[in-house]
Amino acid sequence: DAGITQSPRYKITETGRQVTLMCHQTWSHSYMFWYRQDLGHGLRLIYYSAAADITDKGEVPDGYVVSRSKTENFPLTLESATRSQTSVYFCASKTYQGAGEQYFGPGTRLTVT
Amino acid sequence: ILNVEQSPQSLHVQEGDSTNFTCSFPSSNFYALHWYRWETAKSPEALFVMTLNGDEKKKGRISATLNTKEGYSYLYIKGSQPEDSATYLCAFNTGNQFYFGTGTSLTVIP
Repeated sequence: DAGITQSPRYKITETGRQVTLMCHQTWSHSYMFWYRQDLGHGLRLIYYSAAADITDKGEVPDGYVVSRSKTENFPLTLESATRSQTSVYFCASKTYQGAGEQYFGPGTRLTVT
Repeated sequence: ILNVEQSPQSLHVQEGDSTNFTCSFPSSNFYALHWYRWETAKSPEALFVMTLNGDEKKKGRISATLNTKEGYSYLYIKGSQPEDSATYLCAFNTGNQFYFGTGTSLTVIP
């Protein structure tokens, strides 16, 4: 199916473990984004990518790593998960730089115990 | 860190009432202002993208205005319906990065 998907949709992991959240889009959009949703903060940008092999930090990048070897995939890795990384994570994509609309994935709810 | 503020935080209106809420953002480094509608258990959906000072956008009963010089945007809903109940987010776009407000939660009471 066309669109933007995230996997897993729900994940429980332990403190200190590495976990990777996947994001896949079928539109060939250049730009992809990772956000986390936190109470009192709304959506905050973690990392974004302008194209394959081009990534840059957002507002809250610490503790996260991203890669983008293919245009359609943008995985987010928590190298050593902490309880403060418990959140809902949203991936988004858009076609070009600037004022294009973002399209959001369904979200991944991550709980770090 | 850029500060994007939305007010009010929440709003309860009766069906048929018209309502509006505000998004305030920095007046520098402006590229675009986005409005999203976010229903519970779903992901945000784009409503409007606004780029020019004085922009007005309309989609059905929902409209938005933009003032980049003073750094604010208004979202209006005319004749609110229960299906309008959602959180409305604005996002300040500097070109590559997006800074979201915390949203206005709207509940329309039948």
